[in-house]
Amino acid sequence: QAGLTQPPSVSKGLRQTATLTCTGDSDNVANQGAAWLQQHQGHPPKLLSYRNNNRPSGISERFSASRSGNTASLTITGLQPEDEADYYCSAWDSSLSAWVFGGGTKLTVL
Amino acid sequence: QVQLVQSGAEVKKPGASVKVSCKASGYTFTTYYMHWVRQAPGQGLEWMAVINPSGGSTTYAQKFQGRVTMTRDTSTSTVYVELSSLRSEDTAVYYCAREVGSFDIWGQGTMVTVSS
Repeated sequence: QAGLTQPPSVSKGLRQTATLTCTGDSDNVANQGAAWLQQHQGHPPKLLSYRNNNRPSGISERFSASRSGNTASLTITGLQPEDEADYYCSAWDSSLSAWVFGGGTKLTVL
Repeated sequence: QVQLVQSGAEVKKPGASVKVSCKASGYTFTTYYMHWVRQAPGQGLEWMAVINPSGGSTTYAQKFQGRVTMTRDTSTSTVYVELSSLRSEDTAVYYCAREVGSFDIWGQGTMVTVSS
């Protein structure tokens, strides 16, 4: 089934700002909003934001999400070494009646 | 605290079935939907199924229709996923996840290995 599109990798320097993107369509990201998850190697994913820019308790304000049309974005400011991880977007797809994920973006902090 | 604790690793032969459990604690079990998501080695996340613990209704990803069954036991606050006719491509870590807005709480994962 169709998924969301994410760039495979992004590299940024320490203390810089990274913006990760996630492209879907009118059946998912545009109408249902997107969520962002962070996954460190060997660990389960961790929810960073949902329905475009709602942060769960305990998530740093350095993580902010937004959406424009079919594309959702996650911006991480003041990059730290611990931000190096895989980042996934997800959304409910009303056409498929299924949750869909992006393929993930590996963020490298140089 | 809210947590989801999954059953241990499994090794199965092709064609067999596997049943993985996920026990919830720290909140009212019947309030929030629960999902199963899997991740093959070195790959991304793949959604499999969701259950409404209150009424037991389920929705499955089309890819797994006919092979997957998700159930719950409200007396023990536990959800289960059973996958049948296993093949090597089903080798993955299987996660349960609670849905509050999105997947807000995850289990620790259960490795299922399918090998002859």
